Amino acid sequence: DAKTTQPPSMDCAEGRAANLPCNHSTISGNEYVYWYRQIHSQGPQYIIHGLKNNETNEMASLIITEDRKSSTLILPHATLRDTAVYYCIVRVGGGGADGLTFGKGTHLIIQP
Amino acid sequence: DGGITQSPKYLFRKEGQNVTLSCEQNLNHDAMYWYRQDPGQGLRLIYYSQIVNDFQKGDIAEGYSVSREKKESFPLTVTSAQKNPTAFYLCASSIGSASGSKNEQYFGPGTRLTVT
Repeated sequence: DAKTTQPPSMDCAEGRAANLPCNHSTISGNEYVYWYRQIHSQGPQYIIHGLKNNETNEMASLIITEDRKSSTLILPHATLRDTAVYYCIVRVGGGGADGLTFGKGTHLIIQP
Repeated sequence: DGGITQSPKYLFRKEGQNVTLSCEQNLNHDAMYWYRQDPGQGLRLIYYSQIVNDFQKGDIAEGYSVSREKKESFPLTVTSAQKNPTAFYLCASSIGSASGSKNEQYFGPGTRLTVT
């Protein structure tokens, strides 16, 4: 799986959009970008994934650059409950049933 | 409610003792996983199982053992050979290889193991 680079921490004001960057310059053509988040002392939660088109669901939007070397997760109206560690993971789509490779992620802190 | 349960939430053991962590899922998922998390770090894969009666080592399998006798259960034993067993242990499951690109993993609440 390709390696990802994320900033260790970010702040965002409540109600504003939170934009979390991820660099994955060695991504292969068949690898997807996945985002999970982990609220303190809980298990991670899937947010969204994409291959090359931008994706949106009820939780977030995922913007992938045209060269696919970086992406941005957008939480459109951040709330205090969005404070968590966000993990960007690159892997082959579906990946069979092998495990995920988690880096240290970005600790997003939503400020009231 | 469908989901993954892990018990207990907190577990304390003396050094040199084996301990087994429970993981049960009622999602009818084929694949199950065990991860370990140390403070300030991401998750690391210990073992995973794609189907009943089959499992593979992950990145840090030394000192751990698993079994997969039933689809819904994937217990993890932390043996006395594990040099630094104190950690937060997370179990997960997914539909498996037939799920397409998403193959979302669903995580349990975790067990925090302290060995002294």
